Amino acid sequence: GDSVTQMEGPVTLSEEAFLTINCTYTATGYPSLFWYVQYPGEGLQLLLKATKADDKGSNKGFEATYRKETTSFHLEKGSVQVSDSAVYFCANSGGYQKVTFGIGTKLQVIP
Amino acid sequence: DAGITQSPRHKVTETGTPVTLRCHQTENHRYMYWYRQDPGHGLRLIHYSYGVKDTDKGEVSDGYSVSRSKTEDFLLTLESATSSQTSVYFCAISAADLGIAYEQYFGPGTRLTVT
Repeated sequence: GDSVTQMEGPVTLSEEAFLTINCTYTATGYPSLFWYVQYPGEGLQLLLKATKADDKGSNKGFEATYRKETTSFHLEKGSVQVSDSAVYFCANSGGYQKVTFGIGTKLQVIP
Repeated sequence: DAGITQSPRHKVTETGTPVTLRCHQTENHRYMYWYRQDPGHGLRLIHYSYGVKDTDKGEVSDGYSVSRSKTEDFLLTLESATSSQTSVYFCAISAADLGIAYEQYFGPGTRLTVT
């Protein structure tokens, strides 16, 4: 079945550091890939998405590229801020309208 | 923000009692989902609905039932709550079109504690 693998963390970075959160997936067919973000006490919000191979999703300084050859969708940001502290979920929609989520990676950014 | 509300937002109940959580949307989206979120497990799908009266099981459906009598409402029922069902429950909605995977929009969550 479909799956998503990401590290649980926490990942602790200093403000303005470079961020990478790795995500790999397995899926049948041609899935769409997503990154969601969850701030404390809230539900998940879509951060970015990519619907086909080599697509790059971007939003709020975050980027991720759909790499079919390595089955990866790593999240990157060049300079993190304290306000980016949250839990980040990679997700895979291999099945029609059903989405498989990773376990979430907690990011802590310290001033 | 997508119009999704969940009620109640917090609930404490005793083992063996029935519990119903409600999800209400104002977006007229076809698909609705119930997830539970637990440390170390991320988000796991309990049940989902692809239309009025059309529902299907997710990966952790045991002990849960759902109903959808109107497009805007999706109810999750724990027939006899157990301590293992202590969790945060999220409702999500999604538009639908053949062959296209739309993003999901999430409600604020319900924190359920079973004592």
